Amino acid sequence: ETGVTQTPRHLVMGMTNKKSLKCEQHLGHNAMYWYKQSAKKPLELMFVYNFKEQTENNSVPSRFSPECPNSSHLFLHLHTLQPEDSALYLCASSQGRGTGNTIYFGEGSWLTVV
Amino acid sequence: GQQVMQIPQYQHVQEGEDFTTYCNSSTTLSNIQWYKQRPGGHPVFLIQLVKSGEVKKQKRLTFQFGEAKKNSSLHITATQTTDVGTYFCAGPSNTGKLIFGQGTTLQVKP
Repeated sequence: ETGVTQTPRHLVMGMTNKKSLKCEQHLGHNAMYWYKQSAKKPLELMFVYNFKEQTENNSVPSRFSPECPNSSHLFLHLHTLQPEDSALYLCASSQGRGTGNTIYFGEGSWLTVV
Repeated sequence: GQQVMQIPQYQHVQEGEDFTTYCNSSTTLSNIQWYKQRPGGHPVFLIQLVKSGEVKKQKRLTFQFGEAKKNSSLHITATQTTDVGTYFCAGPSNTGKLIFGQGTTLQVKP
């Protein structure tokens, strides 16, 4: 139990599908993140939200659309993805965006685009 | 841009041997964090180092922060099969976001 819950854990979608990844944190944190982890690549930060406001978009293609309705929930809406988008998508949270804050990761959503 | 680099990328050791992974930053860091990701799992926070030259131990794991606060190391004494996984270091950028190294994947042969 990490305190950060992601659903679904596994998702297979076609390139024309629309799907969403969901994340919920039970730690009372203010900041939430989406990371992408591909084989042989470092963890890539995609989006950062602090107190529901998006504070960072790391040049992510518009086919990925985040939504943060409150400090505890974060979504990643997926539309017309490409096969190279197949990866592990990790949600994470931290107390704040300060440089000393530890990041707590969820178990991840394994995405396969066919 | 700011980079955090780790070496080696992969390491295979015999159970009982020691293991070290090194982390180097292109800029001075206010702190460095280490995470471990087991195969099929997610990264889990291990430790944070803040002071120049700081050394911290967790059982068989020894973490060190360089004097110039630009490098760090993780040393595991007498590896066990439970140590298998990928070890990431991460340091904050000047905008506050955490930049991860590419990780060192450790395999332990029983």
